[in-house]
Amino acid sequence: GAGVSQSPRYKVAKRGQDVALRCDPISGHVSLFWYQQALGQGPEFLTYFQNEAQLDKSGLPSDRFFAERPEGSVSTLKIQRTQQEDSAVYLCASSLGEHPTGANVLTFGAGSRLTVL
Amino acid sequence: GQNIDQPTEMTATEGAIVQINCTYQTSGFNGLFWYQQHAGEAPTFLSYNVLDGLEEKGRFSSFLSRSKGYSYLLLKELQMKDSASYLCAVRADAGNNRKLIWGLGTSLAVNP
Repeated sequence: GAGVSQSPRYKVAKRGQDVALRCDPISGHVSLFWYQQALGQGPEFLTYFQNEAQLDKSGLPSDRFFAERPEGSVSTLKIQRTQQEDSAVYLCASSLGEHPTGANVLTFGAGSRLTVL
Repeated sequence: GQNIDQPTEMTATEGAIVQINCTYQTSGFNGLFWYQQHAGEAPTFLSYNVLDGLEEKGRFSSFLSRSKGYSYLLLKELQMKDSASYLCAVRADAGNNRKLIWGLGTSLAVNP
């Protein structure tokens, strides 16, 4: 597609519920990143994929968070047994090559805003 | 550790010039990015510096000094639509680490 598409844009979940957030990156983009952004903060790294390989998941805050990109394109971020502290905007970004640069721009989706009640 | 500092908030007047500073302390350096983020929207790419000096792109310019760990984003002829958060991010690759280290963002309010 023309840009990075994320769905749902807004999700309200009850505490303890499982949620799945989808990211559809720009076609052909090798690298895919998930970030968590709290209100008034910068993005916090969660995990990184190069094609279907998850090369870095050091930012995932707990084992309740799981991400996959089985065919190297669409990615899903799953949060099990959601807690109130999981409330945030979850941003997905992709770039054509391995390393974001000025010529290999990291392009963000609009994000999925998760509210856990 | 890895640290990026930028002012939390700035205010400027329409038509004026504003400079948003960013200082960084990272274990490595492979480039610095500036992104603009309007409320509720995706961050959008503004500029990238990997060598010292000034990069000019229309009304926006970005400067880098690697020896000082310092960058600034210069916005000229401010318009109301420039009211947004401006995020500074550093690529501090080490091996397979491709994370960008992000600042907290500078919220710029442009007043008429």
